[in-house]
Amino acid sequence: DVVLTQTPSILSATIGQSVSISCRSSQSLLDSDGNTYLYWFLQRPGQSPQRLIYLVSNLGSGVPNRFSGSGSGTDFTLKISGVEAEDLGVYYCMQATHAPRTFGGGTKLELK
Amino acid sequence: EVQLQESGPGLVKPSQSLSLTCSVTGYSITSNYWGWIRKFPGNKMEWMGYISYSGSTSYNPSLKSRISITRDTSKNQFFLQLNSVTTEDTATYYCAREGYFDYWGQGVMVTVSS
Repeated sequence: DVVLTQTPSILSATIGQSVSISCRSSQSLLDSDGNTYLYWFLQRPGQSPQRLIYLVSNLGSGVPNRFSGSGSGTDFTLKISGVEAEDLGVYYCMQATHAPRTFGGGTKLELK
Repeated sequence: EVQLQESGPGLVKPSQSLSLTCSVTGYSITSNYWGWIRKFPGNKMEWMGYISYSGSTSYNPSLKSRISITRDTSKNQFFLQLNSVTTEDTATYYCAREGYFDYWGQGVMVTVSS
């Protein structure tokens, strides 16, 4: 199975601070169809996961544009440009290029 | 608006079967793919499998001998059955629209305990 390694596991930030989360894959996530099936999700406390980013860098519907995704191959980054209180929770990357789909271990974003 | 809602028992005894239902409104399950994902205590997430618009299925090999995903198109529902459960299957179970992962249920917590 593809292993996704997320760093850091815990991220402390102040409101307004810009932060980044890394997701590194044990294999290239570039599919033979030319797409890279890398997603980012946020799970707020007590809620189900919300899709933030799909196909590396595409913003999900209704997701604020302070979120952005980048990367290629095996190295991916989620950036939050100006953390807001509602952004607190656990962030996950997930790949769907290779079977079975796999998730990163999660990054908990908390207030400093 | 697309909505998914999981239902099923919150407590299952070891060695028994876990059975959950995902009821979908606002979208026909005869379109797209529909799947199950679980989150273990702590942060670990695991993709379990999906059922397609045609009824074909795909499962995580780690579960392949124990898992079955089926559907009832007349009720717009799909189902998860996980056999021979152990305490390691204690988790919150989510159904979601596969492929897009844009719609998720609220999750149902299942505890495996005698």
